[in-house]
Amino acid sequence: TQSPRHKVTETGTPVTLRCHQTENHRYMYWYRQDPGLGLRLIYFSYDVKMKEKGDIPEGYSVSREKKERFSLILESASTNQTSMYLCASHSGSLSYEQYFGPGTRLTVT
Amino acid sequence: QQQVKQSPQSLIVQKGGISIINCAYENTAFDYFPWYQQFPGKGPALLIAIRPDVSEKKEGRFTISFNKSAKQFSLHIMDSQPGDSATYFCAASKKAAGNKLTFGGGTRVLVKP
Repeated sequence: TQSPRHKVTETGTPVTLRCHQTENHRYMYWYRQDPGLGLRLIYFSYDVKMKEKGDIPEGYSVSREKKERFSLILESASTNQTSMYLCASHSGSLSYEQYFGPGTRLTVT
Repeated sequence: QQQVKQSPQSLIVQKGGISIINCAYENTAFDYFPWYQQFPGKGPALLIAIRPDVSEKKEGRFTISFNKSAKQFSLHIMDSQPGDSATYFCAASKKAAGNKLTFGGGTRVLVKP
């Protein structure tokens, strides 16, 4: 699950998007989805407190204090961060499949 | 630099027709090629996937064709139904690199009744 599902905020304000999985998956990911660009990886985590940058980490940070929760933090939101944000998880075993949440629609005005 | 290029961006097909979506990749280290289906208001869901040691995989009306030498793969939706109307994404990943998915730009498919 992801929360909130929709958020409107002003430029310069801090924003935290949350993701919660109940599958005991080791890996968790944050993507942003923009028309024509598909999904692009922002950050991922392979364990509690462990993280790696994805393809577009600038302007974002993440936190994983518990295995089931992974947060995306925008320290100072900007208009170019208006997007759909998708969280995903992966067991880390033989299966390659990533499972996606429903997304958070973020609008920065 | 988009490592996975997807075409077309959109397509309209009549019910019962065949939908074909193509993807090309650059990184020969990719070892997993999934297709995801996304309905409005939902997150993407895995539809079908293929490994590079197989040239074709079929699941029901959905088939992936894979051409390793050309670095291309495609999704064929046979007997397209209105319920198949969705956005489809191809992707590629390398499990050794944390299974990070690199997605194509997406194809919006509309199946007309």
